[in-house]
Amino acid sequence: AQSVAQPEDQVNVAEGNPLTVKCTYSVSGNPYLFWYVQYPNRGLQFLLKYITGDNLVKGSYGFEAEFNKSQTSFHLKKPSALVSDSALYFCAVRDIPSYKLSFGAGTTVTVRA
Amino acid sequence: SQTIHQWPATLVQPVGSPLSLECTVEGTSNPNLYWYRQAAGRGLQLLFYSIGIDQISSEVPQNLSASRPQDRQFILSSKKLLLSDSGFYLCAWKEGENFGGQFFGPGTRLTVL
Repeated sequence: AQSVAQPEDQVNVAEGNPLTVKCTYSVSGNPYLFWYVQYPNRGLQFLLKYITGDNLVKGSYGFEAEFNKSQTSFHLKKPSALVSDSALYFCAVRDIPSYKLSFGAGTTVTVRA
Repeated sequence: SQTIHQWPATLVQPVGSPLSLECTVEGTSNPNLYWYRQAAGRGLQLLFYSIGIDQISSEVPQNLSASRPQDRQFILSSKKLLLSDSGFYLCAWKEGENFGGQFFGPGTRLTVL
């Protein structure tokens, strides 16, 4: 079965510093990977996806993610974090036969001014 | 463009009362539809998914049921709520055959007292 792991419950960074949120995956076959962000009491918002092609994927709000096949990782990055980036971030992998998504446990990002 | 609606936004219900949460999608046809529950603001649990009218798959045995009476309508129900049914309920949709991710509605906060 497909799965993802987010090893950090929380990430704290200062505004203006680089932000990295980690995700590792386990799949049989080609991975289809996604990042979502959730603000308090809101639904999840799609940030970006990796299907195939370039290992560096660019998404919304200045975020990007790097797919690394040898390390089975798909880390989310932002060069310069903003206070407004403080939220809960989910990594997900798609289960191909059923079109379901398996989500990680989530990482809470706090960006301090 | 596609939009997804959920209502109500918040709901407080007594134990043993019935439940009906509604989700509708606009601007697409024959979407895959999903119901998730998020407890304690963290992990997402897939409850049901549907690939077509009256085609529902249940992921976990529970006190809830789902129905899809129309192509773009997905309803989550219960005959008798339990305290453990409290949580944040999210509906999501995906275009049936593409390799993209899911798009989420704004969610319903359910509190069972």
